[in-house]
Amino acid sequence: NAGVTQTPKFQVLKTGQSMTLQCAQDMNHEYMSWYRQDPGMGLRLIHYSVGAGITDQGEVPNGYNVSRSTTEDFPLRLLSAAPSQTSVYFCASSSPGGQGREQYFGPGTRLTVT
Amino acid sequence: ILNVEQSPQSLHVQEGDSTNFTCSFPSSNFYALHWYRWETAKSPEALFVMTLNGDEKKKGRISATLNTKEGYSYLYIKGSQPEDSATYLCAFYQAGTALIFGKGTTLSVSS
Repeated sequence: NAGVTQTPKFQVLKTGQSMTLQCAQDMNHEYMSWYRQDPGMGLRLIHYSVGAGITDQGEVPNGYNVSRSTTEDFPLRLLSAAPSQTSVYFCASSSPGGQGREQYFGPGTRLTVT
Repeated sequence: ILNVEQSPQSLHVQEGDSTNFTCSFPSSNFYALHWYRWETAKSPEALFVMTLNGDEKKKGRISATLNTKEGYSYLYIKGSQPEDSATYLCAFYQAGTALIFGKGTTLSVSS
């Protein structure tokens, strides 16, 4: 049981490049979400999904795209990277009940946009 | 915009000291209050999820209380140990909104 996995662990992008951050969980959790962590800020929700085929925006969705084709996977796409997207990204999942339930976090992806 | 405040921002104690932190959140439309422990270079791990006013939860030397009417939760650590050094996050969930995290309290315990 690997829990929540994220790849890559580190990434450097140039402004304007696109990329996909991968997230997968093997706990059969319906609810998955993406957060970003910036210095001096709490974790902020980017996008979330309550099940396969259903996604919605969080607090800071601009510049990011998500899809949920399977229960296990929830990739986060950066469409055109900007320096303001330099951050640490965490994926999380939880059992039905969504944000009212304990969140299981992945190890994070540290992204730098130059 | 919902706001979750944690205090103090950081804390340094000696091994064996007991300590507590505060999380303040909006008292309206409460659904759940989470506490997480976040060690450096790791990912946050859940300590407690509390949903009822007056809830008290305990895990070893760590306990938490919840007052939804006045909008605060306390996290207590009894007899702090160096391995308790971490950032402690609280997060507030109001149904239909996002889970809002505070900025955390960073605890450092020296031996």
